[in-house]
Amino acid sequence: QKEVEQDPGPLSVPEGAIVSLNCTYSNSAFQYFMWYRQYSRKGPELLMYTYSSGNKEDGRFTAQVDKSSKYISLFIRDSQPSDSATYLCAMSGNDYKLSFGAGTTVTVRA
Amino acid sequence: DADVTQTPRNRITKTGKRIMLECSQTKGHDRMYWYRQDPGLGLRLIYYSFDVKDINKGEISDGYSVSRQAQAKFSLSLESAIPNQTALYFCATSDRPGAGDVEKLFFGSGTQLSVL
Repeated sequence: QKEVEQDPGPLSVPEGAIVSLNCTYSNSAFQYFMWYRQYSRKGPELLMYTYSSGNKEDGRFTAQVDKSSKYISLFIRDSQPSDSATYLCAMSGNDYKLSFGAGTTVTVRA
Repeated sequence: DADVTQTPRNRITKTGKRIMLECSQTKGHDRMYWYRQDPGLGLRLIYYSFDVKDINKGEISDGYSVSRQAQAKFSLSLESAIPNQTALYFCATSDRPGAGDVEKLFFGSGTQLSVL
């Protein structure tokens, strides 16, 4: 079993919809939680990150961490065609060794 | 210009050939990484280096080797390429994170390698 599980999708939504992405993990030592966004034929870029549990909001993006359930989420409000990308969750413990999810491919239809 | 540059962007080679992928960065970071990305498997760490004299194996280092020629340059070699090394390869850099901070990776645009 992988340390980090992420549904690969693909996910297709109409413009303006809320996109909901999530990952589950098994390693209770994970403390740092990140979301990377990857456009086609580009490298991933860090989108958001949180430390430990709780929510973090940045514009249209909200990241949530529930350590008791070992579950993290990313929500994209008012989705735009430019949000079409693959979203990868990533997490690490205090050793900073990253474990990545497989990525979820999202298409926002105009 | 890109902060993390990978060359080549695409490479097709034959089984048994030696291949080198190169990475250079202008971010001034000490830490450099090589990952491969396969559909359904996500990013997997091949090798990493925290400074010029430091080389460490990642989770899938077999069949690969690396060289850290300078702070800004980190190359990945496949000594004898095999078809299951066909993948998208990424170089990444980072700064040492501060206490309580995440380690933020900066990726290059990748090298698509096909081994026939």
